[in-house]
Formats: sequence, structure tokens, C-alpha cells
Amino acid sequence: DIQMTQSPSSVSASVGDRVTITCRASQGVSTSLAWYQQKPGKAPKLLIYASSSLQSGVPSRFSGSGYGTDFTLTISNLQPEDFATYYCQQADSFPVTFGGGTKVEIK
Amino acid sequence: EVQLLESGGGLVQPGGSLRLSCVTSGFTFKAHAMAWVRQAPGKGPQWVSSTDSIGRSTFYADSVKGRFTISRDNSKNTLYLQMSSLSAEDTAVYYCAKYAISGGGRWFDPWGQGNLVTVSS
Repeated sequence: DIQMTQSPSSVSASVGDRVTITCRASQGVSTSLAWYQQKPGKAPKLLIYASSSLQSGVPSRFSGSGYGTDFTLTISNLQPEDFATYYCQQADSFPVTFGGGTKVEIK
Repeated sequence: EVQLLESGGGLVQPGGSLRLSCVTSGFTFKAHAMAWVRQAPGKGPQWVSSTDSIGRSTFYADSVKGRFTISRDNSKNTLYLQMSSLSAEDTAVYYCAKYAISGGGRWFDPWGQGNLVTVSS
């Protein structure tokens, strides 16, 4: 199985900050990568798919990039509702696998 | 609005069985592949099982193969997960998820609200 490693595991930031989260795959996944946001007690919500495509309804302050093994999720101008845990998921190889998560906390 | 509503979770003893249901609405259920994804406390999600739109092709994670069975009833817009020989390692919130239309990839959107399965004596 492809291992997905996210860093950092947590980050403290303030409203208005720019936050970057990294996801590394143990082998290349082309652009078959998605990002999810999860708030406590809620289900994950799809933010980004195919590495850089914004899911409908997701604010444009979220952006994704990367190819192969290295990917990033960037949140520009962090808003109060963005404090959550973020997960990456590769969809290139069976079985699909998820990262361990990055918690974005209020500084 | 697409809605996925799971039920059937709860506390079960090791070695026991449980069946989860996911009633869907707001989309043409019989046209979409579906999946179960679980999340152990404090961990990232883990894909468990998937089925194609008619239930002919099914797929399982190695950790549940031979113990879990995914099925669907397209006449009832409902997805099922029959779980048996449960162990503590199966303790998790179980989500029903629809494969996203966007980009044609194997990502999930939306997810149900989740159903907690606790395996403990």
C-alpha cells in the first residue's frame, strides 16, 4: 500500500495567516491526490481533487499543488472556520490511502 | 441535496457481528459506486470496502477481507456493510461515502455523518 505522510502534524496560526501543509507519498501517484477538511465530530469534506482542482463550493483561499510524490495544500488568509484537521488521500493505486492528518489550531 | 444516513452501529463483543446501513437520497443511487470508510479514534480515515453501481463488483481492504461484506439494494437506495468476527481493531467511526463525480477519480464526496462501532467486552 502507498503510505501518505503529512507534515506538520499540527500547526498554530492566526486569522489572516497563510498556512501550507505538505503530503508525501511513498511512491508516485501522478496527480491522483485529494485533500479533505474535518471538523470535530463531523465527516471529512472534500476540498481539492486531482491535486489542484477546487471542489465546487469551496472558497478560493484553498489551493493545492504537486505531482508524483510531493503535494501541498495552502490556505491563504486563514479564516475562523478553517481551524480543523486536514487529510490527504491518494487515489492512484488500490487501495486508496489517507495521510495521518494535520491539525490547524488557533495561535 | 445529497444525503447519506448511516445506522446500525453500537457496542458489540469481540467475535460478534453487526450490520451497518446507509440510506441515501438526493441523487440517483443506482448510478454510483459507493464505499465504506472508517476512522479509528485519533487516526486518519481508512478505506474499508467499495461496490460498483449494481453491486456486481466488490472490493475490500486486506484487514477486513473475509469478515466484512458490502452490499446494496438499489430499490431502497441503501448501502450495507455486514461485519463479523469483530475485534478491538475494528473499533472506529464508519462512514458511508459516495465516489465523487469531480475529476473521475477515486475520492469521496459526500460522506455520511458517521456511525460509531465499538468492539469491547
